[in-house]
Amino acid sequence: EAGVTQFPSHSVIEKGQTVTLRCDPISGHDNLYWYRRVMGKEIKFLLHFVKESKQDESGMPNNRFLAERTGGTYSTLKVQPAELEDSGVYFCASSQGVVETQYFGPGTRLLVL
Amino acid sequence: DQQVKQNSPSLSVQEGRISILNCDYTNSMFDYFLWYKKYPAEGPTFLISISSIEDKNEDGRFTVFLNKSAKHLSLHIVPSQPGDSAVYFCAARTNSGYALNFGKGTSLLVTP
Repeated sequence: EAGVTQFPSHSVIEKGQTVTLRCDPISGHDNLYWYRRVMGKEIKFLLHFVKESKQDESGMPNNRFLAERTGGTYSTLKVQPAELEDSGVYFCASSQGVVETQYFGPGTRLLVL
Repeated sequence: DQQVKQNSPSLSVQEGRISILNCDYTNSMFDYFLWYKKYPAEGPTFLISISSIEDKNEDGRFTVFLNKSAKHLSLHIVPSQPGDSAVYFCAARTNSGYALNFGKGTSLLVTP
């Protein structure tokens, strides 16, 4: 069974540009989460989807970040416009049930110059 | 406001000895705790968990201990192997929650 996949693995963009990150969860997992790890800090929760519905986006830093999960399958996280402080590793995770183990993808390393 | 703390950024242990990784939390509402292991350029991989009604959970070479009164948990790896070298993250969530709260991680190096 395939794990959580994320694309791209790395992205280098200039301040002010737009970047879209994609996450494909484990097949059959209704719950999808985005997390972010900024250099030197802990991994922080961004938001949670159940199927296509956003359940909690309390961790989203600001309105430059937009997450979608069309059809309850893959999810995208768009940063527009990107700022220097958005640099970090963005992880996606999925789980079957809400209180079940979350399985993480390899992450997307974003560098904003 | 960091609610899960791993105060040791790194730990070095000889192969065959015990590795003990520590984690403290401040939120008394947390009732489920997990350890994740992370290799470079990979995502965190679930290792072992414990709920607040337990004080110990064992899985092979890995044992997690929970001391609720002290708001402290630890991960023991016995015996340590070079392949255990990785960053270990402690995470916690509440009973009704799903968002994991992570510590900053402890980098474990197991030397031959």
